[in-house]
Amino acid sequence: NAGVTQTPKFQVLKTGQSMTLQCAQDMNHEYMSWYRQDPGMGLRLIHYSVGAGITDQGEVPNGYNVSRSTTEDFPLRLLSAAPSQTSVYFCASSPGGVNTEAFFGQGTRLTVV
Amino acid sequence: GDSVTQMEGPVTLSEEAFLTINCTYTATGYPSLFWYVQYPGEGLQLLLKATKADDKGSNKGFEATYRKETTSFHLEKGSVQVSDSAVYFCALTSGNTGKLIFGQGTTLQVKP
Repeated sequence: NAGVTQTPKFQVLKTGQSMTLQCAQDMNHEYMSWYRQDPGMGLRLIHYSVGAGITDQGEVPNGYNVSRSTTEDFPLRLLSAAPSQTSVYFCASSPGGVNTEAFFGQGTRLTVV
Repeated sequence: GDSVTQMEGPVTLSEEAFLTINCTYTATGYPSLFWYVQYPGEGLQLLLKATKADDKGSNKGFEATYRKETTSFHLEKGSVQVSDSAVYFCALTSGNTGKLIFGQGTTLQVKP
């Protein structure tokens, strides 16, 4: 079972460059989300989606865009990378609802220089 | 808004010691509570959960009880092993979408 797959695992960008972090899940989950993990701050929600065609902002959405054209895929786009976006990014999926477990990808370590 | 507060780390213990990691929360409504674990270089995985007051979640020797009166969900293990070394996150679901709100994470290091 692939579960949640993120690519790439590592990336170095120059300030001002753009890129897309890929996330795909094969569990037919409706709910998908992107988090960033920074030391001492836990995981903070960037954007989330409750189904294909529906997205919404999380706690720290500035500088990021998302779209959800299929149930399986939920890419995260950095429009113009900044050093403050250096972080580890995690994609997660779940069936949705209050009691359900979230499944996480392995993460993407992004460095912006 | 909803929030989760965990004890500061890192926590360093000797093998077979007793572990407690404190977690308290603030939430409207009746959230579900979770503990996730992150081993070095990996993503997060669910350790245990509790969905209503007084529920006890347990897994791999870890347990936590949902205490509504003290808004707490402390993680405990009676005898830790070196292999338990990891970062532990307390979390709650916010609203019907299942959005997760995480605490800061607590790093546990277990020495032989």
